[in-house]
Amino acid sequence: SQKIEQNSEALNIQEGKTATLTCNYTNYSPAYLQWYRQDPGRGPVFLLLIRENEKEKRKERLKVTFDTTLKQSLFHITASQPADSATYLCALTYNNNDMRFGAGTRLTVKP
Amino acid sequence: DTGVSQDPRHKITKRGQNVTFRCDPISEHNRLYWYRQTLGQGPEFLTYFQNEAQLEKSRLLSDRFSAERPKGSFSTLEIQRTEQGDSAMYLCASSFETLLDTQYFGPGTRLTVL
Repeated sequence: SQKIEQNSEALNIQEGKTATLTCNYTNYSPAYLQWYRQDPGRGPVFLLLIRENEKEKRKERLKVTFDTTLKQSLFHITASQPADSATYLCALTYNNNDMRFGAGTRLTVKP
Repeated sequence: DTGVSQDPRHKITKRGQNVTFRCDPISEHNRLYWYRQTLGQGPEFLTYFQNEAQLEKSRLLSDRFSAERPKGSFSTLEIQRTEQGDSAMYLCASSFETLLDTQYFGPGTRLTVL
C-alpha cells in the first residue's frame, strides 16, 4: 500500500535559518504534490503545488522540489521567522483525485 | 467571510448518541470533501461530493456514518451511535473542479465522545 513519510515529527531551528522538510513516498508517483500549513485547532491552509513534471516551485520565502526518481519532495522556508512555527503537511494526489496526507512535521522557529 | 465554514466548532457527546455536523463550502466550489484527523496525524479522507453526487467513500466510513449534500451546496455528516474511537477533528474542504485540485479547508469540528 502507498506510504507517505515526513522526515520527522518535529523540527526546531533558529530564526533566520532555512528550514528543510522532507516528504517521501513509496510506490507510485502522484500526479501532483501539495504542501499545507496547519496551526493548532485550525484546518490546513494551502501553500504550494508542484506537478510531477516540474522540478521546483517558489513562492516568496517558500520553495518546493519534487524528485520522482528519489520519490521525494523537499519543502524549504528561507529566512525563517517565529511566525512560521506550525505543522506542515504534504499531500499527494493521484489521477483518480485521491489525495492522501502525510502525518506532518511540526516546525518550531526560535527567536 | 467567504471561506469554508463548519458548525459546530466543538461537540461533546455521550457514547451511543447521534451527532450531525454541517459544512458550508466556498460558494462557487462544486467539490466538497470530508476528512477525519486525530492528534499527530494528517487528515484521512472520508468521502467526497461533486455537486450533489457522492462519488467516493473511504472504507473508514462505516455504516454509522452518512453524508449528504442535498442541493450541491452545504453538506452534513452524521455519525450514529457514536463510539469513543470517533473522537477526532472532522474537517471539511471544498474545491473547484480543475485538473489541479487545491482544497480549501474549514476550521473543523472537534468531536469528543465520552
